[in-house]
Amino acid sequence: GIQVEQSPPDLILQEGANSTLRCNFSDSVNNLQWFHQNPWGQLINLFYIPSGTKQNGRLSATTVATERYSLLYISSSQTTDSGVYFCAVLPNYGGATNKLIFGTGTLLAVQP
Amino acid sequence: DVKVTQSSRYLVKRTGEKVFLECVQDMDHENMFWYRQDPGLGLRLIYFSYDVKMKEKGDIPEGYSVSREKKERFSLILESASTNQTSMYLCASSLYRNSYNEQFFGPGTRLTVL
Repeated sequence: GIQVEQSPPDLILQEGANSTLRCNFSDSVNNLQWFHQNPWGQLINLFYIPSGTKQNGRLSATTVATERYSLLYISSSQTTDSGVYFCAVLPNYGGATNKLIFGTGTLLAVQP
Repeated sequence: DVKVTQSSRYLVKRTGEKVFLECVQDMDHENMFWYRQDPGLGLRLIYFSYDVKMKEKGDIPEGYSVSREKKERFSLILESASTNQTSMYLCASSLYRNSYNEQFFGPGTRLTVL
């Protein structure tokens, strides 16, 4: 099956710093989403981005589907950005199940 | 905005009890999902439903059943709870079957089975 790898696994930033999170996937996909899991466990949708570039405030994402990777950029980080960031993909062979395959996540800690 | 709600944020049950986890979405989505999340294992799909009264097994359906009597509601049932079902349970929904629409998640239920 498809492999989804995220890097780095852990990241510590000072407030105000910028960061780039990476998601590599081993096969072609129909859908790619970025989520932020907050300390209470809820998965917050950040981007639905099977290809191209999107921006939402201090966050932006780029997916290069032909090269099988996606990047999440966080600028001017804040303590509320702390948590786990997941990349999840829907592989081309997923069929009717629509099962998202999640990466292992990047644990981000933003210190004041 | 899509809203997915789950009946409880925290739940504590005893071994052998029958447990119901409820999920409701308000955007007329066809697809609904139940995942569980465990440290080191990530998120795994338990069951999936693409229509009322329709269901498909995911990766780890053993010990679980589901019910979808109304389009907006998808229930996960633990027939006889066991300690290895202690986990975080996440419900999700998306628009159409056989499409690649964005999935939206509920707040999660942390279940502890004693």
